[in-house]
Amino acid sequence: AQKVTQAQTEISVVEKEDVTLDCVYETRDTTYYLFWYKQPPSGELVFLIRRNSFDEQNEISGRYSWNFQKSTSSFNFTITASQVVDSAVYFCALSENTGGFKTIFGAGTRLFVKA
Amino acid sequence: AAGVIQSPRHLIKEKRETATLKCYPIPRHDTVYWYQQGPGQDPQFLISFYEKMQSDKGSIPDRFSAQQFSDYHSELNMSSLELGDSALYFCASSPTYRGQDNYGYTFGSGTRLTVV
Repeated sequence: AQKVTQAQTEISVVEKEDVTLDCVYETRDTTYYLFWYKQPPSGELVFLIRRNSFDEQNEISGRYSWNFQKSTSSFNFTITASQVVDSAVYFCALSENTGGFKTIFGAGTRLFVKA
Repeated sequence: AAGVIQSPRHLIKEKRETATLKCYPIPRHDTVYWYQQGPGQDPQFLISFYEKMQSDKGSIPDRFSAQQFSDYHSELNMSSLELGDSALYFCASSPTYRGQDNYGYTFGSGTRLTVV
């Protein structure tokens, strides 16, 4: 069965600190996709990144970086030099072939960045 | 680029009333998914449609029904509304082919339903 675990419920940091959000997933599929979404107070789901199961290359986009490791079934997300505008709930999610590609979300990590 | 359109953005209903949420997928997307996100919760999959047929079903109450029409838009109908139905309802759409570089799975901005 597919499952996404975000063990960190809330994280609080001071502006300019680096912060890593953890994500561990379970799947029996060999073809799957992993995602990170940001959900600000306004409620929309802001797409941040998608990774397919055949691409383990890490990615950097500005202050954001992602570390995908199949060996540990992890897809961690790091924000460098955090800013107050990064405050939001962040969801890690999994979509797999046998699941009809419906998206299974982790419980989310609420990030507070204080000025 | 066109996105997934959901209407209305906000909806307030009384208990035991009926609500209809609409979702207009990205052009040429033939698959639609519905999700429910309660306060402080993660989005939960409700139901999906492919080519106007139900393709998968999650934790959708019997009071809810949905369908996909010939133009691929979808409607989620909720009857006998309860306070606990207050949530954000997201729709997502995707094309049948989900290639590595063209996954195409996109969420709408959501409909916030408040039942009073």
